[in-house]
Amino acid sequence: LAKTTQPISMDSYEGQEVNITCSHNNIATNDYITWYQQFPSQGPRFIIQGYKTKVTNEVASLFIPADRKSSTLSLPRVSLSDTAVYYCLVGGTSGTYKYIFGTGTRLKVLA
Amino acid sequence: EAQVTQNPRYLITVTGKKLTVTCSQNMNHEYMSWYRQDPGLGLRQIYYSMNVEVTDKGDVPEGYKVSRKEKRNFPLILESPSPNQTSLYFCASSNQGTLNTGELFFGEGSRLTVL
Repeated sequence: LAKTTQPISMDSYEGQEVNITCSHNNIATNDYITWYQQFPSQGPRFIIQGYKTKVTNEVASLFIPADRKSSTLSLPRVSLSDTAVYYCLVGGTSGTYKYIFGTGTRLKVLA
Repeated sequence: EAQVTQNPRYLITVTGKKLTVTCSQNMNHEYMSWYRQDPGLGLRQIYYSMNVEVTDKGDVPEGYKVSRKEKRNFPLILESPSPNQTSLYFCASSNQGTLNTGELFFGEGSRLTVL
């Protein structure tokens, strides 16, 4: 089962681009990488998902290098409302569905 | 509206008093799962279910039971709650098409305090 490692916390200022990196050294061949956002007292919410190279949607981009042992969530021009905890999750393929979340990265956006 | 609904959202109980936290989803998802969230420990999986009558242990199943008699419901049962089960609990679901990729839909959480 792939274990993920992320920085515990990050601070940024409004309008800046924020990059959060997740390490998953033993990712399986068929595993996808998914990022979630969680606000206090709410359930995690899906942000973006990818398998390799780069994926972009209306809120974020996800960069995955060729070896897939890490991934970087990029949030362009963050605002105060992006203050949250961000989780990296590696998909539960390889015959098991024990999705293992890491401890997440607490992002604080400052005015 | 597609959603995962948990009840109760908040509960204070005493040691040993059996309780059930319900989870229901209206998306016809096959997969459902329970997590607990504690400060500094992130989200830890308790149990999961691939479909009706199919359940399996996650990383922290001790002290919990589950059942999956209907596709839409996946209750979490604490037969004899203890203070170390004080936590924030989340239910999640996924359909078979996106299960392998890890796209989960979460409920709003149930905050349980055991005195």
